[in-house]
Amino acid sequence: GNSVTQMEGPVTLSEEAFLTINCTYTATGYPSLFWYVQYPGEGLQLLLKATKADDKGSNKGFEATYRKETTSFHLEKGSVQVSDSAVYFCALSTSTTGNQFYFGTGTSLTVIP
Amino acid sequence: NAGVTQTPKFQVLKTGQSMTLQCAQDMNHNSMYWYRQDPGMGLRLIYYSASEGTTDKGEVPNGYNVSRLNKREFSLRLESAAPSQTSVYFCASSDGGHRYTEAFFGQGTRLTVV
Repeated sequence: GNSVTQMEGPVTLSEEAFLTINCTYTATGYPSLFWYVQYPGEGLQLLLKATKADDKGSNKGFEATYRKETTSFHLEKGSVQVSDSAVYFCALSTSTTGNQFYFGTGTSLTVIP
Repeated sequence: NAGVTQTPKFQVLKTGQSMTLQCAQDMNHNSMYWYRQDPGMGLRLIYYSASEGTTDKGEVPNGYNVSRLNKREFSLRLESAAPSQTSVYFCASSDGGHRYTEAFFGQGTRLTVV
């Protein structure tokens, strides 16, 4: 089947600290991988994506590399800001009918000044 | 360009009442989805529609019905609301047919069943 496992939160970091949020997946077929971000009271927004092995997605200083050998897509940022405080979701999509998406449980990040 | 629009944003229902959550997208997407978000559970798929005229059950369809009214609109109906349906509901859409296209989400409907 298809599933996504991401690290439990909440995560609290000081401003300018290094961030890693782990994500691993299982999938039938060849999935695409996504990171979404959800700010308080809002819907999910795409942060970055990667569609094939060894691709690196990047946006707003965040990066994640599609590692097929370890079935992982860890999110990293070198220096977090207070404005990065949000919930982060790892997700995959498959080529099955309707392009279904499978989400992890989300990791809450709080960045303190 | 509004993207995905959900109405209402907030709703309180009494147990046993019915209601319909509305969703519309203006991106000419083929696929549309309804998710619910509960603490510690992530997003769980309720129903999806791969294309106009088709609907399929997701992970948690019990207690819900959907209608894909046309390519733009996908509604979710609770026939007899229960407290277990208290949740935040998100509608999403995607181009469909390609595994590399992302989903676009609405702002959510926060539903409380008392």
